[in-house]
Order: sequence, then structure tokens, then C-alpha cells
Amino acid sequence: AQTVTQSQPEMSVQEAETVTLSCTYDTSENNYYLFWYKQPPSRQMILVIRQEAYKQQNATENRFSVNFQKAAKSFSLKISDSQLGDTAMYFCAFMKARQSSGDKLTFGTGTRLAVRP
Amino acid sequence: EAQVTQNPRYLITVTGKKLTVTCSQNMNHEYMSWYRQDPGLGLRQIYYSMNVEVTDKGDVPEGYKVSRKEKRNFPLILESPSPNQTSLYFCASSHHSGARLGTDTQYFGPGTRLTVL
Repeated sequence: AQTVTQSQPEMSVQEAETVTLSCTYDTSENNYYLFWYKQPPSRQMILVIRQEAYKQQNATENRFSVNFQKAAKSFSLKISDSQLGDTAMYFCAFMKARQSSGDKLTFGTGTRLAVRP
Repeated sequence: EAQVTQNPRYLITVTGKKLTVTCSQNMNHEYMSWYRQDPGLGLRQIYYSMNVEVTDKGDVPEGYKVSRKEKRNFPLILESPSPNQTSLYFCASSHHSGARLGTDTQYFGPGTRLTVL
């Protein structure tokens, strides 16, 4: 079974600064996907970024980028130029690339990020 | 607009009173899934469905039922709710049959906050 660990329950960052959220995972799979989801106070689950394990290049989406270290099973999220709207709970999630149970996501326990004005 | 809808958004009920949380998607997705979110536990999968009339248990199915009579709908049924089912529930869908490599984005509903007294 896969597990996803987010060791930082809460983090805080000053507006306009950079923050990195940590995520590690455990799997015996070679092909899989990793995701970061954002959950603002509205509770909506919003996909921030995704990474395919077979791609060596780290994914980026505007101010969001990841540091994917496959051998270390690490998948951290870097948020640059933090904005007040980035205040949210962030979940790291894992999905096997090919599984009989469809698109099951395994989530970490989340990191609550507060952006200070 | 592509979306997953859930109803109700909020529900307070009493132990033992049967309830149904509806989920509907307008994207013709094959795969649908229910998760529950609890503090410190992240999101955990309850049930999923690969297609019409095809459903299976996730990680925490006890106390829940589902059905998939139509492709667009995937209701979650609590026959006899108990206080330990107080949680935030999410429905999700994606265009994925489980038979091919690769995955599409999962769309999440807005969540249903359930309180069982």
C-alpha cells in the first residue's frame, strides 16, 4: 500500500516571500503520478500541480513548482512570491499509473499555510 | 460549465436516520469516487465506481453504500448514520477507465459537511 507523509502540519510565510512544503511518499511502484491540491477556506479542492514519475523535469505552474526526487521519494512544493490568496490547506497526493481501482488518490494529512500581510 | 455537484452542502442529522448525499457530474466521466476528510487524516476513499453498475469498496467503506445506475450520478447512502461518520465528504470524477496508462484530472465537488448527533 502507498503512504504519503506531510510532516509540517502548519506553516507561515510573509507575503511576497517563498515557501516550500514538504511531502514524502512510500511505494514500490515505478510508474505513478503525484499531485498537490489546494483547499482554501471555501473547502473546494483545487489542483495546483501534477508530476508524472517518468518525467525527470520538475513541473511548474506559474508561481508554483515542485522538486521531485524519485530516488528519495520526495515531492516538495515551492510557492514563490506568496500571495494572501495562497492561504489554504495543501494536500500532497499519490496515484498509481495503472491500477484496477481506477484513479484512486492517496492523500497526505495536509499542511495548513498562512500567508501574512 | 464542467462541474461536479453535491447536495446537500450541509447536513445535521441524528443517529440512525437514513440519509443520501447526491453527486452528479456533467462531463460524461466513467470514474466516480467518494472521499471523506477528517482532521489529521487527510482524505480517504470510501467507494468508487469504474462505470455504470460497477462499484467497489475503497479504504473506509464501513457504514456506507453507493449505487451507479446512471453514468452521471453516484449517490452516497448512509443507512444508519453514527457520530463517527461526522465528516466532510467529497465526490470526485474523472475520465478514466483504469485500462490505459495515464490519467486525467480529477474534478472534485464542493464538499458536504455532515454532522451526526
